[in-house]
Amino acid sequence: ETGVTQTPRHLVMGMTNKKSLKCEQHLGHNAMYWYKQSAKKPLELMFVYNFKEQTENNSVPSRFSPECPNSSHLFLHLHTLQPEDSALYLCASSQEIRGVGTQYFGPGTRLTVL
Amino acid sequence: GESVGLHLPTLSVQEGDNSIINCAYSNSASDYFIWYKQESGKGPQFIIDIRSNMDKRQGQRVTVLLNKTVKHLSLQIAATQPGDSAVYFCAEIWAGTASKLTFGTGTRLQVTL
Repeated sequence: ETGVTQTPRHLVMGMTNKKSLKCEQHLGHNAMYWYKQSAKKPLELMFVYNFKEQTENNSVPSRFSPECPNSSHLFLHLHTLQPEDSALYLCASSQEIRGVGTQYFGPGTRLTVL
Repeated sequence: GESVGLHLPTLSVQEGDNSIINCAYSNSASDYFIWYKQESGKGPQFIIDIRSNMDKRQGQRVTVLLNKTVKHLSLQIAATQPGDSAVYFCAEIWAGTASKLTFGTGTRLQVTL
């Protein structure tokens, strides 16, 4: 266990559905991240939060909406997704955002969009 | 654009042998590198890291070598075990991009008995 949990582990949704992914870290870290992992593509950074404030949006479509109510929790709200959004969505956290900090990853949510 | 890439998508190694996984990076401004291991159904797990002012760093059964001249990174696993079977990613942090890791596509290590 890395100290980062994600729920649900698997999610199947239609293109008109609204769903949310949840991430929780028990490490006392200050920075949290959302990544997208597609087959045969490198991990893609989506969003970065530092002390609950979004510091980076990597040109992610608005159908993905992140929320960070506190430093321990991170959500990714999904709305009107496309089949090409099917992927493994990984959450990570790190002690700090500045400098070089090791990121700890959760197990991911396997998302399938029909 | 700048990128991190891996030479071999799949590496098959016999149990007990040493494994070497390679990674090329193109940004000479990168100052920190990390190797991650991702097992099936799990997220990436930190293995070892190295700063750009170092050439070599050793961990338990793993060694990372950094050659800044040719912008090359390698991960050596000694006495490879079945539990080492996974996808291995190298990642770099570019100076000035805070904690934005840029990942390579990954190399799958298959350990045969």
